[in-house]
Amino acid sequence: RKEVEQDPGPFNVPEGATVAFNCTYSNSASQSFFWYRQDCRKEPKLLMSVYSSGNEDGRFTAQLNRASQYISLLIRDSKLSDSATYLCVASTSGTYKYIFGTGTRLKVLA
Amino acid sequence: DAGITQSPRHKVTETGTPVTLRCHQTENHRYMYWYRQDPGHGLRLIHYSYGVKDTDKGEVSDGYSVSRSKTEDFLLTLESATSSQTSVYFCAIRGLDGETQYFGPGTRLLVL
Repeated sequence: RKEVEQDPGPFNVPEGATVAFNCTYSNSASQSFFWYRQDCRKEPKLLMSVYSSGNEDGRFTAQLNRASQYISLLIRDSKLSDSATYLCVASTSGTYKYIFGTGTRLKVLA
Repeated sequence: DAGITQSPRHKVTETGTPVTLRCHQTENHRYMYWYRQDPGHGLRLIHYSYGVKDTDKGEVSDGYSVSRSKTEDFLLTLESATSSQTSVYFCAIRGLDGETQYFGPGTRLLVL
């Protein structure tokens, strides 16, 4: 079993739709979580960190559920420019290592 | 922009030849990482460094070595390239918040 798992998709949604991705992690010692966005043939770029209390940045909302060991990303009012692959990342304190999911591909359709 | 550059950006080489990839950062970050990204596997850690001359192995370190003789440069060497090392290689640094990683633009390596 992979330490961080994501549904690879693709999720095909119309413009303006709300879409949610989940990511599960198996290491209960994981402390820090992130969502990255990766465009085709580009490097991953930080979208947002995920805090225990949940956090929002414009149309994007991230949630952490430690009891069930998953994090989620909600995108409201999808734009064509949101089309990308979204990577879930978990980090364990003290190890300086980061475990990446394989990514969820999102296509926003006109 | 965390001031990370990678060179070369693209390389084609033959099996059995040595290859060195360079990661350069301009902001004095202590932690640097080398990853490879392949379809179906996501990003996998090859090696990382926590200071000058301080390095450690990641999950896919076989066939790779690294060196960090100064803070700004982290070199990844394939001693004898194999076709299985065809991949996209990303360098990353750990940011000042002590948590977030920032990536370089990547190097596309093709081993024939």
